[in-house]
Amino acid sequence: NAGVTQTPKFQVLKTGQSMTLQCAQDMNHEYMSWYRQDPGMGLRLIHYSVGAGITDQGEVPNGYNVSRSTTEDFPLRLLSAAPSQTSVYFCASKTRAATTNEKLFFGSGTQLSVL
Amino acid sequence: GDSVTQMEGPVTLSEEAFLTINCTYTATGYPSLFWYVQYPGEGLQLLLKATKADDKGSNKGFEATYRKETTSFHLEKGSVQVSDSAVYFCALSPYGGATNKLIFGTGTLLAVQP
Repeated sequence: NAGVTQTPKFQVLKTGQSMTLQCAQDMNHEYMSWYRQDPGMGLRLIHYSVGAGITDQGEVPNGYNVSRSTTEDFPLRLLSAAPSQTSVYFCASKTRAATTNEKLFFGSGTQLSVL
Repeated sequence: GDSVTQMEGPVTLSEEAFLTINCTYTATGYPSLFWYVQYPGEGLQLLLKATKADDKGSNKGFEATYRKETTSFHLEKGSVQVSDSAVYFCALSPYGGATNKLIFGTGTLLAVQP
C-alpha cells in the first residue's frame, strides 16, 4: 500500500532557486494539504485543497504556490527559495474535506535546506 | 486564537514506567482533540482522538480524556516500551472538526530506555 508518497526525501537549494516538492496519494482522497515542521513550532499548515481545481491558504502560505489538477497529486512550489524556508515538509491527505475528525494520512516528509 | 500547549521534552523513561504527556488547549466553542505520533524517519500517524467533552480516546495502550473544565487532553500509558520512543503531538480542530485546519502543539519527544 503506497499511501501518501513524497519526493524527494532530501533537497539542498541555493537562495533564489526554485523547485517543486511532489506529493501523490493513491487512496482517492478528496483533501490534501502541506505542512512545514520547524523545531519548537510544531506543524503549520501552508496550503490545502478540498478537491481538484480548488486550493486555499493555510497559516503560512507566503513564498509557496500550489495547484491541484488531479485528485492524486498536490505539488508544492517554491518560486524563489529563502533560508527561512529551511524546514521539513509534510504532505497529508484524508478522505473527505470539511471535517478533521477523520484522520490525516501523512507522507514521510521532505527535508529541505536553503543555503 | 486557538492554540495547543504541550509540555516540553525530552521525556526520558525506563521501560515499563508510567507515562504522562501534558496537553492544554485554548479554543472557542467545542473543538475536537487528537494525539498524533511521529516515529523516527516517518510521517505523523493518528494515535487517538476525542470529539466531545468527557470522551476518552484510546489506542495501543495509550489513553487521553477530553476535560473541558481544565481544557486538557493529557496522554497517558501505564507501561511504556522502547518501541514507544517517538515524538507525540497534541492537536485540535476548531468547531468540533467542521474545518479543514488542524492546529498542532510543538511536540514532545519521548525516549524510552531498556
